[in-house]
Amino acid sequence: QLQLQESGPGLVKPSETLSLTCTVSGASISRNNPYWGWIRQPPGKGLEWIGSFYYGGSTYYNPSLKSRVSMSVDVSKNQLSLRLTSVTAADTAVYYCARPATGVSGGSWFDPWGLGILVTVSS
Amino acid sequence: QSVLTQPPSPSATPGQRVTIFCLGGSSNIGRNDVCWYQQFPGAAPKLLIYKNNQRPSGVPDRFSGSKSGTSASLAISGLRSEDEADYYCAAWDDSLNGVVFGGGTKLTVL
Repeated sequence: QLQLQESGPGLVKPSETLSLTCTVSGASISRNNPYWGWIRQPPGKGLEWIGSFYYGGSTYYNPSLKSRVSMSVDVSKNQLSLRLTSVTAADTAVYYCARPATGVSGGSWFDPWGLGILVTVSS
Repeated sequence: QSVLTQPPSPSATPGQRVTIFCLGGSSNIGRNDVCWYQQFPGAAPKLLIYKNNQRPSGVPDRFSGSKSGTSASLAISGLRSEDEADYYCAAWDDSLNGVVFGGGTKLTVL
């Protein structure tokens, strides 16, 4: 059974870089499981898509975050990574990694999701 | 402001049927499949409906989805107290080239 677990610092200072890792278990990041994504949710608010990517290269980022976000994968460690630069308090949120079931674009859906990790941006 | 609009859902009582709506446009719901997620407080969202009306294994058939034009809906019949949760719709948007979510609907079961 595919499971995802986010990890990383729970507190980041304004203007610094947020870096998170998502460890995939129960399956390998490969041609059989090539699509991955990140979604976030500010406290008490709704879901916001950050981006989705194909492990072989294609990426789609939320236009509002595109200049600050990057996603990558480490196949040897079966891990995904998220980097968000120049963070502000508005980036405080629970960050989820999830698997787009059928692709990085079009009518795909996210399943499963990780448990999520709360990242607070504060000095 | 969310690209997909989810109007507030009225409170409902156990046993009732309730419908949650998701209003979009020609670049998202009008062209792409819709999915729905259920989220309990403090928990991660869980896929409830995909491809407009398909249920993943394990989701009761009390939950059903439909799509018409630029809007979609999630119906829950035989409402139970454990259905009290937040529900989010989502779709790909061809203009934004990304996934858009609705603002969420909080379902209260009295």
